[in-house]
Amino acid sequence: SQKIEQNSEALNIQEGKTATLTCNYTNYSPAYLQWYRQDPGRGPVFLLLIRENEKEKRKERLKVTFDTTLKQSLFHITASQPADSATYLCALDITGGGNKLTFGTGTQLKVEL
Amino acid sequence: DVKVTQSSRYLVKRTGEKVFLECVQDMDHENMFWYRQDPGLGLRLIYFSYDVKMKEKGDIPEGYSVSREKKERFSLILESASTNQTSMYLCASSSPSGASSSGNTIYFGEGSWLTVV
Repeated sequence: SQKIEQNSEALNIQEGKTATLTCNYTNYSPAYLQWYRQDPGRGPVFLLLIRENEKEKRKERLKVTFDTTLKQSLFHITASQPADSATYLCALDITGGGNKLTFGTGTQLKVEL
Repeated sequence: DVKVTQSSRYLVKRTGEKVFLECVQDMDHENMFWYRQDPGLGLRLIYFSYDVKMKEKGDIPEGYSVSREKKERFSLILESASTNQTSMYLCASSSPSGASSSGNTIYFGEGSWLTVV
């Protein structure tokens, strides 16, 4: 069955360092992959989308890579700040129909001073 | 600014009660979704709707029903609430993926915390 895996352990890093989060999936070839940020008690907020024909996408301090051979996406936050502390979710459309996303369980990032 | 509004932020209901969770979006989106989120299980899709009066089951539809009488409004109904339905419920909306260059980006509401006692 389709599976989307994110590291369930929290990632703790020091301010100013680069945070790297991983999203792995199996048994599917998505046309695109998305990353969302979720703060405690709030709904997820869209950050970035990367398509299958794109190797890398950037937005300010955020960078996403997409390796369809490895079935993996990496999400990087450079020059991390305490305000970046949140849970980050990856999501795929596993149906191929473009109508609904399936989410990973998310990785909690804590950026310490 | 796009907006998905969930009518109730916090609810406490008794076992066996009928519960309505209401959601309204102001973006003229065709697709609307109801997810629940539980620790360790992540977001799980309950139902979605791709048009007025149309609905499809998601991954965990048991114990739930939905209603979409108007494009902007999508309601989640718990016919007889049970304690295992205590959770955070998230409503969301999106345009069909072909309609924009952003793919099927989903916009979420703030969530409704339901406790069934």
